[in-house]
Amino acid sequence: GDSVTQMEGPVTLSEEAFLTINCTYTATGYPSLFWYVQYPGEGLQLLLKATKADDKGSNKGFEATYRKETTSFHLEKGSVQVSDSAVYFCALGVYGGSQGNLIFGKGTKLSVKP
Amino acid sequence: DVKVTQSSRYLVKRTGEKVFLECVQDMDHENMFWYRQDPGLGLRLIYFSYDVKMKEKGDIPEGYSVSREKKERFSLILESASTNQTSMYLCASSFFGVGQPQHFGDGTRLSIL
Repeated sequence: GDSVTQMEGPVTLSEEAFLTINCTYTATGYPSLFWYVQYPGEGLQLLLKATKADDKGSNKGFEATYRKETTSFHLEKGSVQVSDSAVYFCALGVYGGSQGNLIFGKGTKLSVKP
Repeated sequence: DVKVTQSSRYLVKRTGEKVFLECVQDMDHENMFWYRQDPGLGLRLIYFSYDVKMKEKGDIPEGYSVSREKKERFSLILESASTNQTSMYLCASSFFGVGQPQHFGDGTRLSIL
């Protein structure tokens, strides 16, 4: 069945370091892909999305490219800040059932130290 | 901006009580969802609804029910609360269709004593 696998955390980086959080997926058809961010004590916020192969989603300095050949959607940021400390979720939009369901990865906690 | 409002940020209830969690969205979304979030388990879908009075079971519906009498409101009901239902509960909504992002509320942290 459809699934999402993202790297386990926690990930600890120093400010201004480069960030990569890996996400790979298994899906039938042509899914949409999302990254969500959850700051402490809050719900999930949509960070970026991509709906077809080779699309690049970007927002707030974060980027991810939909790679169909490697079934991946890795999240990257060139220079992280302390304020980026949060949990990041990769998600897959699936066909079938109720249109609009998402399958979420387990989340990766990022801590950025000054 | 889309607004998904959950009625309580924190809630403490006792074992055996009937508990209602309310969620309201203001974007005329067809779909609404209830998740619970637990450390190490990520998000797990409890129930979802794609139309008024319609509901579908998610991955972990046992011990829960839902109600959707109006398009903007989706309620989660714990029929007889138990300590293993202590968790963070997240409501979300979206337009109908693949590729539509879900928009989340801030969550309700529920403790069952």
